[in-house]
Amino acid sequence: GAGVSQTPSNKVTEKGKYVELRCDPISGHTALYWYRQSLGQGPEFLIYFQGTGAADDSGLPNDRFFAVRPEGSVSTLKIQRTERGDSAVYLCASSPGVPGELFFGEGSRLTVL
Amino acid sequence: AQSVAQPEDQVNVAEGNPLTVKCTYSVSGNPYLFWYVQYPNRGLQFLLKYITGDNLVKGSYGFEAEFNKSQTSFHLKKPSALVSDSALYFCAVRPNFGNEKLTFGTGTRLTIIP
Repeated sequence: GAGVSQTPSNKVTEKGKYVELRCDPISGHTALYWYRQSLGQGPEFLIYFQGTGAADDSGLPNDRFFAVRPEGSVSTLKIQRTERGDSAVYLCASSPGVPGELFFGEGSRLTVL
Repeated sequence: AQSVAQPEDQVNVAEGNPLTVKCTYSVSGNPYLFWYVQYPNRGLQFLLKYITGDNLVKGSYGFEAEFNKSQTSFHLKKPSALVSDSALYFCAVRPNFGNEKLTFGTGTRLTIIP
């Protein structure tokens, strides 16, 4: 069966541009998570959806970051006015509701020049 | 606030020897604890978890981990290492109620030497 799919796998953009990263979770998984991983660091929590609603967005670093999941399946992470410090691998994970058992995609590598 | 510490950035073990990857945690209340593994060019994969019950939990690929409440530790172990175990290992924690947010450590790179 298909795993979590993230597109694009690689995105290079210029400082100040707008970026969208897409996540297709495993079918039937109700929970969806976004994490960010910088080089040499562990995944850093950004936001968690249960169904269509953001249950916890405490990890979003500032108001340039926003995420949606309008139909409770696909999610999009949106970053406005990108900065060089936003460069990282953005990871998406979904879960069928079993505590802590997350299924991760391979990530979207964002490079801001 | 919840946190995880993985004190070793790198662990090298000879093939066939036992291995241990260390993890300590901090969380309000009782913890749910997890180990994930990241192979090169692959996504993070769930390895095992402690929720409740027996302090020694067994997971995929022959790995096990021991929950020690008094030491707030959850070390990952395997009796006999394989070269294919070489990867990046992450410990993670969340409280057992309320907060679904999983907090990860910084990772330990495990290298098994043939």
